[in-house]
Amino acid sequence: QVQLQESGPGLVKPSETLSLTCAVSGGSVSSGSYYWSWIRQAPGKGLEWIGYISDSGSTNYNPSLRSRVSISVDTSKNQFSLKVSSVIAADTAVYYCARDAVMTGVDNWGQGTLVAVSS
Amino acid sequence: DIQMTQSPSSLSASVGDRVTITCRASRGITNYLAWFQQKPGKAPKSLIYATSSLQSGVPSRFSGSGSGTDFTLTISSLQPEDIATYYCQQYNTYPLTFGGGTKVELK
Repeated sequence: QVQLQESGPGLVKPSETLSLTCAVSGGSVSSGSYYWSWIRQAPGKGLEWIGYISDSGSTNYNPSLRSRVSISVDTSKNQFSLKVSSVIAADTAVYYCARDAVMTGVDNWGQGTLVAVSS
Repeated sequence: DIQMTQSPSSLSASVGDRVTITCRASRGITNYLAWFQQKPGKAPKSLIYATSSLQSGVPSRFSGSGSGTDFTLTISSLQPEDIATYYCQQYNTYPLTFGGGTKVELK
C-alpha cells in the first residue's frame, strides 16, 4: 500500500514562495501509469486541483495557478515537490499530495499539511 | 473548465436510511467520475472511480451510477461511520474539478 507524506513550512509570508515536499513509500515515483498530484483545500472550502507531474517528468497545471506553480520530482529520494510563488492570503490552505492512477482517478492521499500565508 | 454541481449541499438522515447524492457536470464527461469521502480534520478518502467501481476496501453499501452529465452516489443503509462530506470529481478533462461537497449528518 503506497503512502504519501507532505512536509514543509506551516507559515509563509506574503509575496514569498511556498515549498512543500511529498515523500512516497510503498511505491515508486518512477513507476508508470501514475500522475503525482497536488490538491489544496482552503479552510472551510472545497477541493482545488493544483497540478501533477508524471513519471516521465511531464507536468500539467491548473490554469488558475499556472503562472505561479511548479511541480518537480526527485527519483533518487522517491519524492515530488510543489512550489507556489508570490503567495497571498488566499493561498492559505491544507495542501494534499496524491497519487492519480489516471484511468481510475486519485486513489491515495497524503494526510495533508496546513500552510498559512501571513506576515 | 467543467463545472461540477452537487446537490443537496447538506442532508440529515437516520441510521439505516438510503442516502442519495447527485452530481451534475456542465458538459459530458463520459464515465470519468470519482467520489471521495472526507471526515472532519482528515484527508479525503477515495470511494468510487469510473462512476461505479469501488476502490479497494470500500463497503458495498456505497454505489455509484450515471453517465454523460448526471451522476449519483448512493449509500444503501447509512451507518454512523458514514457521517462525512462527500465530493464528486471529474477526471475526463483538465483541469480536474470537484463538486462543492455534500455534508451528511445524522438526524
